[in-house]
Amino acid sequence: DAKTTQPPSMDCAEGRAANLPCNHSTISGNEYVYWYRQIHSQGPQYIIHGLKNNETNEMASLIITEDRKSSTLILPHATLRDTAVYYCIVRVASGGSYIPTFGRGTSLIVHP
Amino acid sequence: GAGVSQSPRYKVAKRGQDVALRCDPISGHVSLFWYQQALGQGPEFLTYFQNEAQLDKSGLPSDRFFAERPEGSVSTLKIQRTQQEDSAVYLCASSRYGETQYFGPGTRLLVL
Repeated sequence: DAKTTQPPSMDCAEGRAANLPCNHSTISGNEYVYWYRQIHSQGPQYIIHGLKNNETNEMASLIITEDRKSSTLILPHATLRDTAVYYCIVRVASGGSYIPTFGRGTSLIVHP
Repeated sequence: GAGVSQSPRYKVAKRGQDVALRCDPISGHVSLFWYQQALGQGPEFLTYFQNEAQLDKSGLPSDRFFAERPEGSVSTLKIQRTQQEDSAVYLCASSRYGETQYFGPGTRLLVL
């Protein structure tokens, strides 16, 4: 699986959009971009994933560049409860013996 | 519906003791993963099951670590002769066929 690069930390004001970047310049054509987050003392939580088109769900939006070498997770109206470590992972979404590499992620702090 | 559950949530062991950590995956999920997460780090892969078959155990740090899933549902991670460096959060995740993973809350192990 391709490796990803994320900034170690970011902060955002409550109510504003949080835009978390991820670089995955070695991504392969059949690899998806997955985002998870981990709130303190909890297990990671799935947020969203995509292949090449932008995706949106009730939690967030995922914007993938046309060349697929980078993506941005957008939390449109960040709340204090969105404070967490966010992990960007690229992987083949066909099941099997997939071994994800989480890295250290981006620690997002949402402040009042 | 019920998510992934893990027990115990916290475990304190004396160095040299054996411990057993339990994971109850989401019903019907074929794939089950174990991860180790040290303080301040992302989860690190330990081992992977598809039903009762252990397909990958390349992440197990030593032969003191053993995992099983005898009936393709509940899994147990056993650590023999625990060492201080085994102190970490142990996370279990399940997925239907290996794609999106759903994590449990983890077991926090402290070896004294």
